[in-house]
Order: sequence, then structure tokens, then C-alpha cells
Amino acid sequence: ELKVEQNPLFLSMQEGKNYTIYCNYSTTSDRLYWYRQDPGKSLESLFVLLSNGAVKQEGRLMASLDTKARLSTLHITAAVHDLSATYFCAVDSNFGNEKLTFGTGTRLTIIP
Amino acid sequence: DAGVTQSPTHLIKTRGQQVTLRCSPKSGHDTVSWYQQALGQGPQFIFQYYEEEERQRGNFPDRFSGHQFPNYSSELNVNALLLGDSALYLCASSAAMRGGETQYFGPGTRLLVL
Repeated sequence: ELKVEQNPLFLSMQEGKNYTIYCNYSTTSDRLYWYRQDPGKSLESLFVLLSNGAVKQEGRLMASLDTKARLSTLHITAAVHDLSATYFCAVDSNFGNEKLTFGTGTRLTIIP
Repeated sequence: DAGVTQSPTHLIKTRGQQVTLRCSPKSGHDTVSWYQQALGQGPQFIFQYYEEEERQRGNFPDRFSGHQFPNYSSELNVNALLLGDSALYLCASSAAMRGGETQYFGPGTRLLVL
């Protein structure tokens, strides 16, 4: 059974600082997704990573994928308050059939 | 271009009742997946519909069933509701022939079982 773990579960950081969220998964997969969720809201797609070594960046967020290590990272650069949310990684466990297994989520709070 | 829509937004039921939730996929999408998100947890895959058939299923009991219509919209039915079924139910759509694109999620239906 595929397991997806994120750490940390909770992260409180000051504006302007950098930090990284880690996503580990237990079985082979080459498709990994990052989503953002604001309180009481649905999931907003951030990144789709489809191959080993894939790196994508959007604004202050950058995601990478290492399929050999079964690890993805979401790096936050010079955090701003608007980035406060819960971030989920999700792994496609069925090789493209889009059955996503989600991580536990990382609740990020940016302190002014 | 309308995104994924779901109805109703909120629902309150009592134990033992039955509920039907509805989803319309994003324009151009033909695959619908349903997820259950309990409070404070990540979404869990319930099942997926493509070409009006259930294509794959997660670890949910038979009380959870679904349907997909010719226009690609979908319903999720839950029978004999339990308190533990209280959750946010999310519908996601994608295009089967464009593998590798993200799934787009709807706003969700928040179900409370009393």
C-alpha cells in the first residue's frame, strides 16, 4: 500500500525567510502533484512533476522531484503572508490513472 | 470556462439516511474522481468514473456508490450514513487522453451526519 508522508506537519515562519517542505512516498511513482488548500476551501493545483529531476517554479514556490529517492520538495523563498495555507503533496499510485494518494498536509503559517 | 462545480455546498443528514452529491466536470474533461476529506486530514480516494463505468476504487465500503452520465457529470451516493461519514467530499475532473495534467478540484460538499 502506498504511503505518502510530509514533514513538517506544522510550520510557522517569519516573512522573508526560506523553508522547505518534504514529501516522501513508499512505492515507485513518477507523477507527483502539489496542491494548496486555504481554510474551508477546495484544493488549488500548484505543480505537476512528471519525471525524475523535474523542477518547476512559480513565484516564490519551487517544487522538485527525485524518483530514485522517492522524495519531492516544495521550497518557499522569502515567504509572504499570502502563502499561509495547508500544502499537500499527492502521488499517482497507478501509473497515470490518476488515483491520487495524498500526504498528511503541512499547515504553513507566515508571521509578519 | 466554468470549472468543476458541485452541489449542494452543505448538507446535514442523520444516521441511517442516504445522500446524493453531484458534480459537473470542467469543460473538456471526461474523467471524474471523488475524494473524502475528513477534518484535518488529506483527501482519500473513493472512486473514479470514466465512460460511465467505475474504473478504479479506493478502500471504501459498498455503501459508497456512484454514477456517471453521458454528459460526464457524476453522482456520489452514500447509503446508511454513519457519523464517521461527516467530511468534505471533493470531486475532481481530468481528461483521460491527456495524461500528466493535473486534476481540477471542485469547491466540495460539506456533509454533516448527526
